[in-house]
Amino acid sequence: DTEVTQTPKHLVMGMTNKKSLKCEQHMGHRAMYWYKQKAKKPPELMFVYSYEKLSINESVPSRFSPECPNSSLLNLHLHALQPEDSALYLCASSQDRGSRVAQYFGPGTRLLVL
Amino acid sequence: AQKITQTQPGMFVQEKEAVTLDCTYDTSDPSYGLFWYKQPSSGEMIFLIYQGSYDQQNATEGRYSLNFQKARKSANLVISASQLGDSAMYFCAMRDLTETSGSRLTFGEGTQLTVNP
Repeated sequence: DTEVTQTPKHLVMGMTNKKSLKCEQHMGHRAMYWYKQKAKKPPELMFVYSYEKLSINESVPSRFSPECPNSSLLNLHLHALQPEDSALYLCASSQDRGSRVAQYFGPGTRLLVL
Repeated sequence: AQKITQTQPGMFVQEKEAVTLDCTYDTSDPSYGLFWYKQPSSGEMIFLIYQGSYDQQNATEGRYSLNFQKARKSANLVISASQLGDSAMYFCAMRDLTETSGSRLTFGEGTQLTVNP
């Protein structure tokens, strides 16, 4: 089973709302990632969790708050977002170590901030 | 710092023909991995193929093969017998294999492939 699931598929929120994006994988991967992707652009790394600990934060604004409750779940809490935060948010997972580590992505959440 | 360059913003191919998507890279790391991903309009990034810097043979996965030329720092993706479902954005990516935790990918800007019937 090489599936990463993400909910919701689409999300519309106002700038004062609080919402959360959810990601789940059951591949036994110990590294999980959040990416932001604008149209026609490559994904931009936001956060990396390794063994449920935050290992990389790519200077993401504090209005984005990641959480890794356990090895299968990854959340991204959103608060006071700006319209420029509208994008496709992709979750991925991978084995933590090894030379042939590939990241497996979920279908993404399309976020629109009004 | 690592850099991936995809010089073809868009490519067109006739159904059933082969197509090559270009990717060149720059890194000072001796150990690295190269990946290709496909992203249909639905949004999901689909892992296609991997090539390690020390691999002696070019990687193949079904209709996908990777033309790896280490001295030229290129890792072109070859898709044989194109199908309409191959129409998508294709990203080349690199990973530094010396990283000790997680796997940070550096992506190219992508190539939009359109397969014509």
